[in-house]
Amino acid sequence: DQQVKQNSPSLSVQEGRISILNCDYTNSMFDYFLWYKKYPAEGPTFLISISSIKDKNEDGRFTVFLNKSAKHLSLHIVPSQPGDSAVYFCAATSTGNQFYFGTGTSLTVIP
Amino acid sequence: GAGVSQSPSNKVTEKGKDVELRCDPISGHTALYWYRQSLGQGLEFLIYFQGNSAPDKSGLPSDRFSAERTGGSVSTLTIQRTQQEDSAVYLCASSLAGRYEQYFGPGTRLTVT
Repeated sequence: DQQVKQNSPSLSVQEGRISILNCDYTNSMFDYFLWYKKYPAEGPTFLISISSIKDKNEDGRFTVFLNKSAKHLSLHIVPSQPGDSAVYFCAATSTGNQFYFGTGTSLTVIP
Repeated sequence: GAGVSQSPSNKVTEKGKDVELRCDPISGHTALYWYRQSLGQGLEFLIYFQGNSAPDKSGLPSDRFSAERTGGSVSTLTIQRTQQEDSAVYLCASSLAGRYEQYFGPGTRLTVT
């Protein structure tokens, strides 16, 4: 049972434009959410996170939005750069013991 | 090294054999996680260690899987009597106490033939 879903396996964006990656979850007990970025043959790298007490968190070009009523979060990357091309995973937890990951979205930023 | 390291990076084994995968977490990180990623899937939680507490083993898929963490540092994931469905990338991550951000190793790609 997939508690965290990323329904878009891939996304292509022109350099300089906005990339929007989406993530949905089913468990209303989740209270902390994270985004990770993964390059081939490497482990995921932490990117940005958000607590359920917030609806937005920003770090440079990266912003995560949380809509608790819709059980939806999104990652915005503005402006997109070719180096952002990677697979992006969202993750969620309610305990800090177990983290549930989505299946990832492969982002390609076209120069 | 400053990051999480895992060994071996690749492992090919015959069905029925036992394998051991090793993880060296970042020094000072008290939490350690094992995940596996099968082809086309997300990361699947396997086991979690926190300090000297009893590990959370609720994600282990069968009793063929076990893990230990010695001295609060290095961890070994053991898969006994491997099956073809065990083929996956096994990822280890560590984190500081009280922090949710995890630092991942590069993974071990296990292929069971």
